[in-house]
Amino acid sequence: NAGVMQNPRHLVRRRGQEARLRCSPMKGHSHVYWYRQLPEEGLKFMVYLQKENIIDESGMPKERFSAEFPKEGPSILRIQQVVRGDSAAYFCASSISGANVLTFGAGSRLTVL
Amino acid sequence: GQSLEQPSEVTAVEGAIVQINCTYQTSGFYGLSWYQQHDGGAPTFLSYNGLDGLEETGRFSSFLSRSDSYGYLLLQELQMKDSASYFCAVISRNQGGKLIFGQGTELSVKP
Repeated sequence: NAGVMQNPRHLVRRRGQEARLRCSPMKGHSHVYWYRQLPEEGLKFMVYLQKENIIDESGMPKERFSAEFPKEGPSILRIQQVVRGDSAAYFCASSISGANVLTFGAGSRLTVL
Repeated sequence: GQSLEQPSEVTAVEGAIVQINCTYQTSGFYGLSWYQQHDGGAPTFLSYNGLDGLEETGRFSSFLSRSDSYGYLLLQELQMKDSASYFCAVISRNQGGKLIFGQGTELSVKP
């Protein structure tokens, strides 16, 4: 069981470029959550998805950010026209059902130059 | 809205017992979870309390009092490897059942 797989682990982008972060949940998990973490801070909820559905995107900025979890393939968090303030660690987590127990990936660290 | 309060830092010595408190304010409270994170790595699940009382898992225990909107994580027989950040997190029905994290407590275990 490979756990939650995130890639890339590290991503460097220049301002204005696009960042795509991928997350493959644990086998058998159909619930995916994305969180963002700045250094020395907690995890901020961004979006909750199930296969082909966005359940809750209340934590996502209204512009430039989007997420999907297609029927086949990984969940994708997409950030368009990145700015320096987007530099952070982005964690994906999955669960069988609900948020009682989340299994997290190792995170993708985005640096915007 | 909702909020969680936990101490930012705690220091203890090897072999000791430490308690990390968490108070929360949220509507539609469903449960309280605890996660451990080492050096910015993947947070790992420690425990979940849906009902009042104590849950014990090895050296770690977690307690919840719904009437007091309060919980704690108890770590016994501390080891150096327990040095990490510990996050309490609430699940709220009114927030779509997602997990909302506190700011975390940095635990330093000294020899």
